[in-house]
Amino acid sequence: AQSVTQLDSHVSVSEGTPVLLRCNYSSSYSPSLFWYVQHPNKGLQLLLKYTSAATLVKGINGFEAEFKKSETSFHLTKPSAHMSDAAEYFCVVSDLGNDMRFGAGTRLTVKP
Amino acid sequence: DAGITQSPRHKVTETGTPVTLRCHQTENHRYMYWYRQDPGHGLRLIHYSYGVKDTDKGEVSDGYSVSRSKTEDFLLTLESATSSQTSVYFCAILPGLAGGFGANVLTFGAGSRLTVL
Repeated sequence: AQSVTQLDSHVSVSEGTPVLLRCNYSSSYSPSLFWYVQHPNKGLQLLLKYTSAATLVKGINGFEAEFKKSETSFHLTKPSAHMSDAAEYFCVVSDLGNDMRFGAGTRLTVKP
Repeated sequence: DAGITQSPRHKVTETGTPVTLRCHQTENHRYMYWYRQDPGHGLRLIHYSYGVKDTDKGEVSDGYSVSRSKTEDFLLTLESATSSQTSVYFCAILPGLAGGFGANVLTFGAGSRLTVL
C-alpha cells in the first residue's frame, strides 16, 4: 500500500524567508500527490495537486511543489513566508484514486 | 465547505454509549469518506462509500460502522464509544472528473469533535 512520510513535525521560519516542507512517498504505481493546509480549528483546504502532468506544480497562495520520482519526494516550497501561512500542512499520496494516505502533518510557525 | 455539512460539530459523551455522526452533501457525489484526525497521525480512513448501500473499510475501521441509505447522507456510528475514539472526525467527498483545480480531489467538511469521557 502507498504511504507518505513528512520529515519534519514542526518547522519555524521568520516572515519573509523561504518555506520548505519535506515529504517522501512510497507507491507501487504512478501516484497522485497532494498538499493540504489546515488552519487552527478549520477543515482541510487543497493547496495543490500532482497528477502526472508537469512535475513542478503551482498551487494557491504562492506555494509550489516539485515531483521528483528518482527521490520519491514531493516537497512544498514558498519563496517568502507570510504570517497567515502559519498552519498545519499535510502531504497525501493516492495510488488508485479513492484510497488516499495522509502524512502525519507538519506544523508551520511563522515568526514576525 | 463545498456543500458538506457535518453534525453534530461538537459532542461529549460517556464510555459505552452509542454515537452517530452525520455527513450530508448537496451535490450527489458518489464517493464519501469518514476520517479521524489525531495528533501525530494525520488523517486516517475509517470507512468509505462508493454508492448507496455500498461501503468498505479503511485502515482504522474497528469499533465503527457506517450506513448510506441515500446518496446525500453518510452516517458513522460508534456502537459503544471508548476513550480511544476521542478525536476529530472529518467527512469528505470526491468530486468527479469535471476538470479544474478541485476535480477528483477530496473535499472536506468542517469536522466533528468528539470527546468520550
